[in-house]
Amino acid sequence: QVQLMQSGAEVKKPGASVKISCKASGGSVTPYHMQWVRLAPGQGLQWMGVINPGGDIRGDALKFQGRVTMTRDPSTSTVYMELSSLRPDDTGLYYCARAAPGSGGFDLWGQGTLVTVSS
Amino acid sequence: DIQMSQSPPTLSASVGDRVTITCRASQNIYDWLAWYQQKPGQAPKILVYKATTLESGVPSRFSGSGYWTEFTLTISSLQPDDIATYYCQQFNDYPWTFGQGTRVEI
Repeated sequence: QVQLMQSGAEVKKPGASVKISCKASGGSVTPYHMQWVRLAPGQGLQWMGVINPGGDIRGDALKFQGRVTMTRDPSTSTVYMELSSLRPDDTGLYYCARAAPGSGGFDLWGQGTLVTVSS
Repeated sequence: DIQMSQSPPTLSASVGDRVTITCRASQNIYDWLAWYQQKPGQAPKILVYKATTLESGVPSRFSGSGYWTEFTLTISSLQPDDIATYYCQQFNDYPWTFGQGTRVEI
């Protein structure tokens, strides 16, 4: 049974960066769309971006103003999301999720990583 | 960007009630829509994909309908375990936006 295992909680100061990992244990990340989603306190789910099977990366540049970097390492079945220039309103739970091409939905989710941004 | 307008924001109903949640897309998204359920402290869980296809293992009281710009998630008989927040997500164009969510209370 494939699981997406995310790295642990982080506490960061404003202006710093955070890098979260998401490992597909028992599976691969390359054939799938791998998206990142944020849930901030009191808000709804917010799409951050996706790494597609072909390796192209699409993000919500408008909402995150170019602060998001997504990468993948096929050799370790891991994808990464780095968010830079952190602000207190970046505090929240960050999720990775996987979808098969053409499936029309993300059926496998990581457990979430809590990022707290505070001075 | 495609805007997904989800309604209502909050829904209070009784056990056994039929419940309907709506998502309206600002432009045509064909059937590139999924519905998720999220309970406090848990990751989202997919219920419906491609607008109308029920994910394996999801109770049959859940169903999805719609095409083009208007979509509906229906719970035919609300159960206590259905207390959660529900989201739609479109995949027709980037960014793959979510609706604002609907909190279902009993």
